[in-house]
Amino acid sequence: QVQLKESGPGLVQPSQTLSLTCTVSGFSLTSYHVSWVRQPPGKGLEWMGVIWTGGSTAYNSLLKSRLSISRDISKSQVFLKMNSLQTEDTATYYCARGAALFDYWGQGVMVTVSS
Amino acid sequence: DVVMTQTPPSLSVAIGQSVSISCKSSQSLVHSDGKTYLNWLLQNPGQSPKRLIYQVSNLGSGVPDRFSGTGSEKDFTLKISRVEAEDLGVYHCVQATHVPFTFGSGTKLEIK
Repeated sequence: QVQLKESGPGLVQPSQTLSLTCTVSGFSLTSYHVSWVRQPPGKGLEWMGVIWTGGSTAYNSLLKSRLSISRDISKSQVFLKMNSLQTEDTATYYCARGAALFDYWGQGVMVTVSS
Repeated sequence: DVVMTQTPPSLSVAIGQSVSISCKSSQSLVHSDGKTYLNWLLQNPGQSPKRLIYQVSNLGSGVPDRFSGTGSEKDFTLKISRVEAEDLGVYHCVQATHVPFTFGSGTKLEIK
C-alpha cells in the first residue's frame, strides 16, 4: 500500500530554515521520483522541486536559490530544506509520488512563518 | 516557464449536469519522448489533491468514467459528465513535460 507522510515543524520564524521530511512506504525511492508541492492558504498549488530516482534534483526557478531536496534511501525518506523563510512561505507542504505521475499524495503539513 | 491558463475560475452546477474545464499552455506539452504529460487533479475541501487523469486522457486508478480528458499540444479539456455531490472541490491541471512543472490556477466546482 503506497503511502507518503510529511512531518516537520508547524511554526518557523522569519529568516529561519524550514526542514521537512517525507516518509514513504509501499514503493522504493530508486523506482519512483518524489516531488514537493506547496499551497498557500486559499491559493493554488506550486511545484517546488523533485528528486529523481537517480538522486539528482530539479527545482522551481523562483525557489532554487533557497531550496534543497535530498533523500535517505535506506529510511525511505525525502527531505526538503528551504532557507530564509518569509511570511509568504506560509503554506501547506505536500510530497507526492512521481514527477509526471502525481498519483499518490501525502496528507500535507501546514507550516506558518511567523515571529 | 510554461504558463498554464485554466478557465473558468469557478463553476456552479446542478447534480446530473455536465461541465468542462479548459487548460491552455504557453507552449506545446509534447515531450521529446512523444508523450504529453498533462494531468488533472481534484482537491476536495480540506483534502490533499488526488489524480484524476494522466497524460491527457488516461483515467487514474479508481476514478469514475464520468471523468474524461481530451486535448493535444497546448489545449486541454476535462469533462465531467453527470456531476455528483462528491465532485465538489478545486480542479487543477498540471504540466510535467517541461521543468519546472507548473499548475493551472484552479477551478472551483460548487454544487447548486
